Amino acid sequence: GENVEQHPSTLSVQEGDSAVIKCTYSDSASNYFPWYKQELGKGPQLIIDIRSNVGEKKDQRIAVTLNKTAKHFSLHITETQPEDSAVYFCAAPPGYSGGGADGLTFGKGTHLIIQP
Amino acid sequence: KAGVTQTPRYLIKTRGQQVTLSCSPISGHRSVSWYQQTPGQGLQFLFEYFSETQRNKGNFPGRFSGRQFSNSRSEMNVSTLELGDSALYLCASSLGAAGSVEQYFGPGTRLTVT
Repeated sequence: GENVEQHPSTLSVQEGDSAVIKCTYSDSASNYFPWYKQELGKGPQLIIDIRSNVGEKKDQRIAVTLNKTAKHFSLHITETQPEDSAVYFCAAPPGYSGGGADGLTFGKGTHLIIQP
Repeated sequence: KAGVTQTPRYLIKTRGQQVTLSCSPISGHRSVSWYQQTPGQGLQFLFEYFSETQRNKGNFPGRFSGRQFSNSRSEMNVSTLELGDSALYLCASSLGAAGSVEQYFGPGTRLTVT
């Protein structure tokens, strides 16, 4: 099955600086890579995703890049703000398709701390 | 548009008991997936239901089961509870159509087994 590794487990950055979180996956047939943000006491929130036919996608201060050859994808947050403090998860579906929303395999999460 | 709702939000049960959790997906979404989140194992996929049928399944014992109703609402049942079943149980909603893979999570049900 799919294996997703995420680094670092904790990331502390100064407010206004950039943050980068990296993930690798094992199944070369995987074709969809979402990122989730989870705040304390809440469920994961889908913040951005990318499909395998695209190398980069941006949404305001957030961007995701994908390198299919190396089987890794990264989340980039620029101009970090206090409200960016949360746990971030990357995920990937299995390479086979059971149809529709296949079970995602999640990374272990990155606790992002924005220092004022 | 209302998001994914889960009930109850908190639950305390005793070892050996059984529990049923409920999930209402986003209006128009026909797929419901269930995940277990623990500090040690992280987020793990339990199963996915679409049109009242289990379509995908993770690697959990048969004590974990689910079902989906004609209105797409789903329930998850855990029988013979063990201490290790203490976790946040998350439900995710998706359109369910081919190519529509985005999953949107509810707030979760926090289950504590004593």
